[in-house]
Amino acid sequence: DIQMTQSPSTLSASVGDRVTITCRASQSISSWLAWYQQKPGKAPKLLIYKASSLESGVPSRFSGSGSGTEFTLTISSLQPDDFAAYYCQQYNSYPWTFGQGTKVEIK
Amino acid sequence: QVQLQESGPGLVKPSQTLSLTCTVSGGSISSGGYYWSWIRQHPRKGLEWIGYIYYSGTTYYNPSLKSRVIISVDTSQNQFSLKLSSVTAADTAVYYCAREVGVPPPGYGMDVWGQGTTVTVSS
Repeated sequence: DIQMTQSPSTLSASVGDRVTITCRASQSISSWLAWYQQKPGKAPKLLIYKASSLESGVPSRFSGSGSGTEFTLTISSLQPDDFAAYYCQQYNSYPWTFGQGTKVEIK
Repeated sequence: QVQLQESGPGLVKPSQTLSLTCTVSGGSISSGGYYWSWIRQHPRKGLEWIGYIYYSGTTYYNPSLKSRVIISVDTSQNQFSLKLSSVTAADTAVYYCAREVGVPPPGYGMDVWGQGTTVTVSS
């Protein structure tokens, strides 16, 4: 299985901050990476697919980049609604696998 | 828009079979272009992809669960289902159904999710 490693595990930030989350794959996954946001008690929500494509309806402050084994999710200006957990997921090779998650907390 | 809703028992005894159904509304499961997935999340932990099915019946399962999993589809009811046999406490989790965009894979991620259902394995 491809291992997905996110960093950091927890991130403390303030409203308006620029936030970057990193996801590393144990082998190349080309650009077949998605990012999800999950709030407590809710299902994950797709933010980004194919590493950098913004899902319809997702605010433009979210962006994704990378290819191969290293990827980033950036929130350009953190909003109150963005405090949540974020997961990356590879869908290059079966079985699809997720990172362990990054929790974005209020500083 | 398409919505998914999981249903099934919230409590399953050890060694028994966990059975869940996902009902698709607002669209046809037979329309093509999508895989229909099951994902689970253990308490306070990350996400684990269980497997998926195409409306034609083609499936792919996570090898870690393959010997115990069956995913099936009922196009007449616009539903797909998960059966996980010989459950233990380690199968206690929130189970989600989801729609994955793009056939053949790889596609475009899982864009529609059910709200999730908690299944506890306990005697």
